[in-house]
Amino acid sequence: EADIYQTPRYLVIGTGKKITLECSQTMGHDKMYWYQQDPGMELHLIHYSYGVNSTEKGDLSSESTVSRIRTEHFPLTLESARPSHTSQYLCASSERGLEKLFFGSGTQLSVL
Amino acid sequence: QKEVEQDPGPLSVPEGAIVSLNCTYSNSAFQYFMWYRQYSRKGPELLMYTYSSGNKEDGRFTAQVDKSSKYISLFIRDSQPSDSATYLCAMSLTYNQGGKLIFGQGTELSVKP
Repeated sequence: EADIYQTPRYLVIGTGKKITLECSQTMGHDKMYWYQQDPGMELHLIHYSYGVNSTEKGDLSSESTVSRIRTEHFPLTLESARPSHTSQYLCASSERGLEKLFFGSGTQLSVL
Repeated sequence: QKEVEQDPGPLSVPEGAIVSLNCTYSNSAFQYFMWYRQYSRKGPELLMYTYSSGNKEDGRFTAQVDKSSKYISLFIRDSQPSDSATYLCAMSLTYNQGGKLIFGQGTELSVKP
């Protein structure tokens, strides 16, 4: 079944640790995105990619980095996690030229 | 001032009620308007998608865009407990802007049996 998967769903980690949030989609979409969502707040775009080896920063400044080596895979990495990184991270994909985003279920990150 | 304003609620209605969810925006250049539904502990899912002004209906859901007033609405008829979720409005300037959407902060809706 075509879908978009995020792992882990929940992550509790100590300050200073390096973490990678995984995102994979089986829909063959070229465009992929990472959004950050805090309770009661709007989604903010932090990274996007329009294809393999293409990555751009979004509107919200983030200390995270992303890579796009394969079409289906778009991981997000934090080299040194801090409590200010505590948030929900949502991965999404879309077909080229369409506005319809397909979201994963998100990773809830807590940094102690 | 935020580009998109949405009443965060929460909004609680009895089953069968008509629900009206609204967003206002400041950028008159927005052309594409979307409503996403987000269940607890899930990612948002696209519910309705409209271009420019007018109405669009899909089952119990109607999306309305009034560009002259910079105002969009989502109406839910005969609301069901399964409609309980957070509803996010989103909009973009161009068709090829992809995921670079501007989201409202979401309205939490609870439909009581």
